[in-house]
Amino acid sequence: DQQVKQNSPSLSVQEGRISILNCDYTNSMFDYFLWYKKYPAEGPTFLISISSIKDKNEDGRFTVFLNKSAKHLSLHIVPSQPGDSAVYFCALQTNYGGSQGNLIFGKGTKLSVKP
Amino acid sequence: GAGVSQSPRYKVAKRGQDVALRCDPISGHVSLFWYQQALGQGPEFLTYFQNEAQLDKSGLPSDRFFAERPEGSVSTLKIQRTQQEDSAVYLCASSLARLFGETQYFGPGTRLLVL
Repeated sequence: DQQVKQNSPSLSVQEGRISILNCDYTNSMFDYFLWYKKYPAEGPTFLISISSIKDKNEDGRFTVFLNKSAKHLSLHIVPSQPGDSAVYFCALQTNYGGSQGNLIFGKGTKLSVKP
Repeated sequence: GAGVSQSPRYKVAKRGQDVALRCDPISGHVSLFWYQQALGQGPEFLTYFQNEAQLDKSGLPSDRFFAERPEGSVSTLKIQRTQQEDSAVYLCASSLARLFGETQYFGPGTRLLVL
């Protein structure tokens, strides 16, 4: 069963508007939450992260929100730009056990920002 | 500044053939991870090295998959007797340490197609 779910395979947004990408997880043992961005034929690149002790982290146009009780993570991009068009993966890490540090990814959401 | 590099970028193999995929991590990075990304899926963890020691190989799908990092820098992922289900993008990532919260930097991946 999937531990990390990104239920929207794709999202289309007008330039200048807000993009909201969502991610749900099942295991409360996760401690660290990340968003990676991937362009075609390139590897994922780190975008922004948040630890389980926070509920919001902001970096320029990008803000990540964490709702631990709902096991829900979201990424807000404001304002959206055409260069933001990419696949966005949420990834989770745990600080426990033999899997410490390994990234567990969702399936990704393809964001298209239209001019 | 050199990032993570991988070679070859593309590999076509006949079923039953052995393949070797190379990863050059960022200089000085102790931790090296291999991930497999099937079409339409997020990357999935395969194995982890700390310097030359393979500390976690829990994600390797079968004993046909073998990875090494003999001098603690370059790593090779070898797949013996390739099968069609091995077709995927193989991603390598490196980081300063295997700690949750430590950013993993990904290479562009090797796209393997098994015919």
